[in-house]
Amino acid sequence: DTAVSQTPKYLVTQMGNDKSIKCEQNLGHDTMYWYKQDSKKFLKIMFSYNNKELIINETVPNRFSPKSPDKAHLNLHINSLELGDSAVYFCASSLRTGLAGVRNEQFFGPGTRLTVL
Amino acid sequence: AQSVAQPEDQVNVAEGNPLTVKCTYSVSGNPYLFWYVQYPNRGLQFLLKYITGDNLVKGSYGFEAEFNKSQTSFHLKKPSALVSDSALYFCAVRGFYLYNFNKFYFGSGTKLNVKP
Repeated sequence: DTAVSQTPKYLVTQMGNDKSIKCEQNLGHDTMYWYKQDSKKFLKIMFSYNNKELIINETVPNRFSPKSPDKAHLNLHINSLELGDSAVYFCASSLRTGLAGVRNEQFFGPGTRLTVL
Repeated sequence: AQSVAQPEDQVNVAEGNPLTVKCTYSVSGNPYLFWYVQYPNRGLQFLLKYITGDNLVKGSYGFEAEFNKSQTSFHLKKPSALVSDSALYFCAVRGFYLYNFNKFYFGSGTKLNVKP
């Protein structure tokens, strides 16, 4: 039933490791996003895909690599994890981009709390 | 560039009293504005949006927001606060230009505390 789901919910790992977070939406949306929420709750967009095509790529270290196998899934792989990567990562989706989708809000997943030790 | 500002980090209100959470925007042209709520350890939930039309927008859980173009504001309101409304509230604006049309710009969040 869950509209936007993420796995895992919690991720605790050591510095230098590589980890992945998965996101799936069953809303039939064509656009998906990754956000990072820091300890002060500030939300920063990282990436966005529309129909498997990367459309937003913010200033994010290239240790972060998103992958969208299809428009219902958007995964985030992080290499060589650093202490500063500790945050809550949210996946979101919306329907249609560009002028046609301007009215549409985003739907968020429950978040993945990443702790790097 | 588009942006929103939430001037209050925290708002305290007694249960049963009206509440207002403030948001001002900076956008060239007509803004597309959104309010979201985040409960502890949860993702953001959409509350309401202003795209065009009536300046008073009604949303989920009894919330409403008033779009005021002259004051560039989009304050969130509720006539009677509930303890269960205690959460973190985010205002957001959608990008207006071709290069940022797919981006949402979020405010810094306002923590609402409703005391019994």
